[in-house]
Amino acid sequence: DSGVTQTPKHLITATGQRVTLRCSPRSGDLSVYWYQQSLDQGLQFLIQYYNGEERAKGNILERFSAQQFPDLHSELNLSSLELGDSALYFCASSVQVSSYNEQFFGPGTRLTVL
Amino acid sequence: AQKVTQAQTEISVVEKEDVTLDCVYETRDTTYYLFWYKQPPSGELVFLIRRNSFDEQNEISGRYSWNFQKSTSSFNFTITASQVVDSAVYFCALSDPTQGGSEKLVFGKGMKLTVNP
Repeated sequence: DSGVTQTPKHLITATGQRVTLRCSPRSGDLSVYWYQQSLDQGLQFLIQYYNGEERAKGNILERFSAQQFPDLHSELNLSSLELGDSALYFCASSVQVSSYNEQFFGPGTRLTVL
Repeated sequence: AQKVTQAQTEISVVEKEDVTLDCVYETRDTTYYLFWYKQPPSGELVFLIRRNSFDEQNEISGRYSWNFQKSTSSFNFTITASQVVDSAVYFCALSDPTQGGSEKLVFGKGMKLTVNP
């Protein structure tokens, strides 16, 4: 158990809908990352937050947004869902902003868009 | 641009065989970090090792060993005497803090290892 929690574990929804994925980092970790794992794109970085502030954006669609709250949990909002958004979404956390620190990954949320 | 290449997509071995997973990376900077993660069938990503670009010493942890060669931009992973529990997808990843100012990980495509009894 990495100490990172993600809910829900599975999510099935329809095209055009909006969903929210939630992540609680390890106790004491200030940095949260979101990644998407799909069959065609592999594991891709979406966005990073550090202590409530957005730090970096990767290949995140405009239909997607995220935020990190004062208690450091993070939410990833996916809207106007398309079939291609079906993927495993991982949240990871690390102690601070440093590439030296390994990122600990949550169990992931598997999103299926029908 | 940063890039990680795992040329092997899938390997199947018989238990007790040794297996090496290749990883080649590209980065423009001299300071960077390399990682290996394991993704078992249950789906979670498990951290295995971290190595910084200034530390070229090989590392051994039980049946696992890593060979980092800066000259060839490779960070290969060897499992000795493989076991069925080693069956998983293994990812090599690169973190380059100077590229875009983020500590994001750039992952290879992964290599699926199947260890048969």
